[in-house]
Amino acid sequence: GAVVSQHPSWVICKSGTSVKIECRSLDFQATTMFWYRQFPKQSLMLMATSNEGSKATYEQGVEKDKFLINHASLTLSTLTVTSAHPEDSSFYICSASGLGNSNQPQHFGDGTRLSIL
Amino acid sequence: QKEVEQDPGPLSVPEGAIVSLNCTYSNSAFQYFMWYRQYSRKGPELLMYTYSSGNKEDGRFTAQVDKSSKYISLFIRDSQPSDSATYLCAMSASGNNRLAFGKGNQVVVIP
Repeated sequence: GAVVSQHPSWVICKSGTSVKIECRSLDFQATTMFWYRQFPKQSLMLMATSNEGSKATYEQGVEKDKFLINHASLTLSTLTVTSAHPEDSSFYICSASGLGNSNQPQHFGDGTRLSIL
Repeated sequence: QKEVEQDPGPLSVPEGAIVSLNCTYSNSAFQYFMWYRQYSRKGPELLMYTYSSGNKEDGRFTAQVDKSSKYISLFIRDSQPSDSATYLCAMSASGNNRLAFGKGNQVVVIP
């Protein structure tokens, strides 16, 4: 159980293109989804937290107009990197946590490798 | 001082050995403790999830939490080459799902 699917797994595109990444919880309802960025040999850096039906909360230093997050249902969140540039190239990972009275663990997708030429 | 300290130094062990990993933390509000395994170019996979102090065992994996010392451990018995990965500790406070991560430990199990 607790499967999170992330798509696409790898995308290469030209500078200036907007890229949308999907994150789906396949077998549970995710009240909260998280978006991370990971640089090589480093830990995960939280970009934003989104709750279903409400606006995402962005971490300090993350441009909300650059990284658009939508969490329209309990099973789907999307991250759109708008007008991507080479410095946006990175490994983006989503996670989801489900319903429960206590803290529920985050389950991660397999990440999206974004390369901007 | 970082919230979570995890020595990232690579760890190489022979197949069959016990792997011992640990993290220390400074925030006494942390109540939930997790260990994730991350293979190269993949997302983290939840291995162990514990609440408060104590031990939890799942197959070859044992997680220990000592809240009085703010210290958590993961032990892998009978290590296999397939255990070669990066192991991340993570923790959160009650009522707040935001995770604080360690830097991750790269483990290599040599056949």
